[in-house]
Amino acid sequence: AQSVTQLGSHVSVSEGALVLLRCNYSSSVPPYLFWYVQYPNQGLQLLLKYTSAATLVKGINGFEAEFKKSETSFHLTKPSAHMSDAAEYFCAVSGLTGANSKLTFGKGITLSVRP
Amino acid sequence: DAGVIQSPRHEVTEMGQEVTLRCKPISGHDYLFWYRQTMMRGLELLIYFNNNVPIDDSGMPEDRFSAKMPNASFSTLKIQPSEPRDSAVYFCASSWTGGGYNEQFFGPGTRLTVL
Repeated sequence: AQSVTQLGSHVSVSEGALVLLRCNYSSSVPPYLFWYVQYPNQGLQLLLKYTSAATLVKGINGFEAEFKKSETSFHLTKPSAHMSDAAEYFCAVSGLTGANSKLTFGKGITLSVRP
Repeated sequence: DAGVIQSPRHEVTEMGQEVTLRCKPISGHDYLFWYRQTMMRGLELLIYFNNNVPIDDSGMPEDRFSAKMPNASFSTLKIQPSEPRDSAVYFCASSWTGGGYNEQFFGPGTRLTVL
């Protein structure tokens, strides 16, 4: 069984400030971890993924995430927020095959960026 | 690559009518997923297919919902009869596990409104 916890539903930061979106997971198999972003009225777009290679993963638009097995965490960060980062962010976990092949999503976090 | 294609993008119908949503996955992908997104319930997995075979339909809300995948390039999600509570955005996603992990690519979604 797999699950994802994203604490809080809304994060607000000032433009230029650090962005930190938290994600904790639970998985009975070695996990693959993903962050997706959803802009208003659009589908989900992959930001980055962890696939058991490097634990620090860099994605698009300056985002990165670090896989910490001891903490079962995969937090998303960006050093300096931009207005265009305002969106909803989803963390997701999956295994590879069979019953674990589906993605289990967290509830999502809405990021607001203040001018 | 055109990505995952969904049609229609918007659908407005009256309660009791049949609704059919369509999806064309990315060529070569072996998994196809149907999701529903609402404000109240977030992103829910309805059903997924592997090599055109339904693997897990436990997320299908009730017998009014059915999904088919007659071939590798086409899938439908049907609601009959539709009800106002079915109003949501429905996403289709596809993935290829030959790369070693399940990265899903999402379509733009179909916004369904049942009056």
